[in-house]
Amino acid sequence: DAKTTQPTSMDCAEGRAANLPCNHSTISGNEYVYWYRQIHSQGPQYIIHGLKNNETNEMASLIITEDRKSSTLILPHATLRDTAVYYCIVRAGAGSYQLTFGKGTKLSVIP
Amino acid sequence: NAGVTQTPKFRVLKTGQSMTLLCAQDMNHEYMYWYRQDPGMGLRLIHYSVGEGTTAKGEVPDGYNVSRLKKQNFLLGLESAAPSQTSVYFCASRGSGGALNEQFFGPGTRLTVL
Repeated sequence: DAKTTQPTSMDCAEGRAANLPCNHSTISGNEYVYWYRQIHSQGPQYIIHGLKNNETNEMASLIITEDRKSSTLILPHATLRDTAVYYCIVRAGAGSYQLTFGKGTKLSVIP
Repeated sequence: NAGVTQTPKFRVLKTGQSMTLLCAQDMNHEYMYWYRQDPGMGLRLIHYSVGEGTTAKGEVPDGYNVSRLKKQNFLLGLESAAPSQTSVYFCASRGSGGALNEQFFGPGTRLTVL
């Protein structure tokens, strides 16, 4: 699996957009980018995933660079409830079973 | 629809004791997983199952056994607990469709081994 690099921590003002970067320079052609988050003491929660096109759902947007070596998760209007650890995971698609969680980025939304 | 549930939520064991953690899902998912999470760390995969009657080792399987006798249940056993197994244990499940790797997680079991 491709290795990912994320900042250890980030702050964001409430109501502003939170942009969380992820570097995955060794990603291969069949690997997807997944984002999960873990709010304190809870089980991780799926946010979004993508292969090469930008994706948007009700929770967030995922921007993947054209060379696919990095991506950014965007929470358009961060709230205090978005304070969590965000994990960027790269994994092959169909037929793969496992996700490898690194240490992620601790996002703190500040009032 | 309860999703993924875990029993118990908390447990304290003495070194050498045994216990079984139960994970149940009501989404008819094929895949189920057991992870552990130590303080300040990401999740590490212990064992997983790709269907009823199957199990496989993950990243940190030593000291644990699992069974998947029924599709909806995935059991994690500690035969002789050690202080190094003090952790939060998360169960997850996933459907079998396509490329999506959306795993649904339970609330966790906090285990302390004295």
